[in-house]
Amino acid sequence: DVKVTQSSRYLVKRTGEKVFLECVQDMDHENMFWYRQDPGLGLRLIYFSYDVKMKEKGDIPEGYSVSREKKERFSLILESASTNQTSMYLCASSFILAGAKYGYTFGSGTRLTVV
Amino acid sequence: GQQLNQSPQSMFIQEGEDVSMNCTSSSIFNTWLWYKQDPGEGPVLLIALYKAGELTSNGRLTAQFGITRKDSFLNISASIPSDVGIYFCAGPPVSNYQLIWGAGTKLIIKP
Repeated sequence: DVKVTQSSRYLVKRTGEKVFLECVQDMDHENMFWYRQDPGLGLRLIYFSYDVKMKEKGDIPEGYSVSREKKERFSLILESASTNQTSMYLCASSFILAGAKYGYTFGSGTRLTVV
Repeated sequence: GQQLNQSPQSMFIQEGEDVSMNCTSSSIFNTWLWYKQDPGEGPVLLIALYKAGELTSNGRLTAQFGITRKDSFLNISASIPSDVGIYFCAGPPVSNYQLIWGAGTKLIIKP
């Protein structure tokens, strides 16, 4: 069964800490994404990557960075955590087939609380 | 960023009722996707639509790709307690393979 695995389900961090959220996929997908989910706001794209060592900003990149050193791993970094980054973070990977057929698979999410 | 208009935002229904939700966009889409998110989990794909006018079923779920390519709807027949969760529509605008997401429809079923 194909999987996207996020390293932590729940995290509590202090304001100002550097936080690493890890995501690993076993499907050999080229594309990986980091979203945050807040009530009433749906899924908002933070960063995405279409290849190793490649990254692109999404809609809300401020306060975040990413790293993709290997195809299967995409890390989200909060350089200095703040309370407004308390949220559910979702990682996804995808492929695109001919004819624009999509396969997006999500991890189970990491609920981060910054105190 | 661009977002799809998904409605309703939430629904409180009785078990056994039918459910209908929809998404609209100002842009033409070439694919419509419907996802469900169970509490505490990531979204899971329910139905994918690839052609205007396409009507696709997955058990009690039925989704349609609008003729104008700017809308889609999802119907759930005879709802059951495990249908609770958040339903998202998503799709890529033409010439862009990055997904745009609706804000979600939260389904709550009264026993």
